[in-house]
Amino acid sequence: NAGVTQTPKFQVLKTGQSMTLQCAQDMNHNSMYWYRQDPGMGLRLIYYSASEGTTDKGEVPNGYNVSRLNKREFSLRLESAAPSQTSVYFCASGGTPDTQYFGPGTRLTVL
Amino acid sequence: RKEVEQDPGPFNVPEGATVAFNCTYSNSASQSFFWYRQDCRKEPKLLMSVYSSGNEDGRFTAQLNRASQYISLLIRDSKLSDSATYLCVVIPNQGGKLIFGQGTELSVKP
Repeated sequence: NAGVTQTPKFQVLKTGQSMTLQCAQDMNHNSMYWYRQDPGMGLRLIYYSASEGTTDKGEVPNGYNVSRLNKREFSLRLESAAPSQTSVYFCASGGTPDTQYFGPGTRLTVL
Repeated sequence: RKEVEQDPGPFNVPEGATVAFNCTYSNSASQSFFWYRQDCRKEPKLLMSVYSSGNEDGRFTAQLNRASQYISLLIRDSKLSDSATYLCVVIPNQGGKLIFGQGTELSVKP
C-alpha cells in the first residue's frame, strides 16, 4: 500500500517548456487534489477532482491543466512553463479533511 | 486580509518548554478546523482536528474560539522531534476545500 505517489520528485524546465506531473493513489479515494506551496504562502489549491471524470478549478488554476485519467490517477500539466511556476507541487487524495493524504511532492524549477 | 493567518515564526524553544501557536480566520461561517504538521521538505500530515469543545492528544491541545475567530495549538514538554512547521487549516463552508495558513515554524533546541 503506497498511499499517494508522485513523479517526478525533481524537475528543472526552461521557460516555455511543457511537462506533466503524475499522481496516483491506491486508497480508492474519490477526491484528488493538486496544490502548490511557495515560501510564506502556505499551500494553495490549483485544481481538484471530486470523482472520476470531473475536475474543477481551485484558487490558482491559471497556467495549468489537469486530467483525471481514472479513479487512481490525476495528472497536472504545464503547457508553457513560466518562472512564476517554480514551486513545490503536492498531490493529495481523500474524501474528508481528516482523511486527506498527501504525496511526497515534486520540486519544480523553471529557469 | 488573508483567509487564514499564522505567525510564521520561527519559534525557537528549549526542550521541555511549552509553546503555543495561534491562527486567525476571516470567515465567521467557517465549519471545520485542523492542525497539520509538515517536516522540512516533506508532505503535510494531519496532526489533529480542532473541535468546538477543545481537544487534547497527549502533549498537544487544540482550542477553537469562534467569537474571536482563532484556533490555537499548545504543545507541552516540547521534544526535539516536535521541530517542524505547523499549518493551520480551515474549511470555510460545508463541503468546501481546505484553506491553509502559511505555517508556523517551530525549532526545539537541546
